[in-house]
Amino acid sequence: RKEVEQDPGPFNVPEGATVAFNCTYSNSASQSFFWYRQDCRKEPKLLMSVYSSGNEDGRFTAQLNRASQYISLLIRDSKLSDSATYLCVTNDYKLSFGAGTTVTVRA
Amino acid sequence: GAVVSQHPSRVICKSGTSVKIECRSLDFQATTMFWYRQFPKQSLMLMATSNEGSKATYEQGVEKDKFLINHASLTLSTLTVTSAHPEDSSFYICSARALGTENKPTDTQYFGPGTRLTVL
Repeated sequence: RKEVEQDPGPFNVPEGATVAFNCTYSNSASQSFFWYRQDCRKEPKLLMSVYSSGNEDGRFTAQLNRASQYISLLIRDSKLSDSATYLCVTNDYKLSFGAGTTVTVRA
Repeated sequence: GAVVSQHPSRVICKSGTSVKIECRSLDFQATTMFWYRQFPKQSLMLMATSNEGSKATYEQGVEKDKFLINHASLTLSTLTVTSAHPEDSSFYICSARALGTENKPTDTQYFGPGTRLTVL
């Protein structure tokens, strides 16, 4: 079983729409959680950390459910520039990456 | 923010040759660097953890004699793919861990831009 599992998508949404997706993780000992963004053929870049109480950064909202071992990301008012692959990442002594969820925002 | 560089960004080589990839932390010292590999449409897979001044720690299934890692200084780690074969063609990404500070207590990993290796 993979440590981090994500729906690969793609999620195709119009500009201005809201899109949300989850990931599940298997290691209950994971200490911290992140969402990274990866553009085609580029390195991953940290989008936001995910805190137990849930947190928001502009149009992005992340939630963590430790009991069910899943993490979610919601993007409001989607922009064309939000088109990317979003990687769910957990951390115990090392980072474990999901394979990513692809989001395509169309005009 | 912190910057990590990788060189080269892209390399095409013949089967059987060795390829060396450099990873540098440009504005901070990194006692720990990580090497990842990513195949198309797959997740980043950690290959090894590189510790300055000591031997690298390899993940299960990664051949240490094939993927040589040297972390000679606090700002430089190198990965050498020895006797590369077409199945080694991949996107290799390094990251460097910046330790937490008083202002920013959490350790943060910064990724290099990656090296795309194609073995013919």
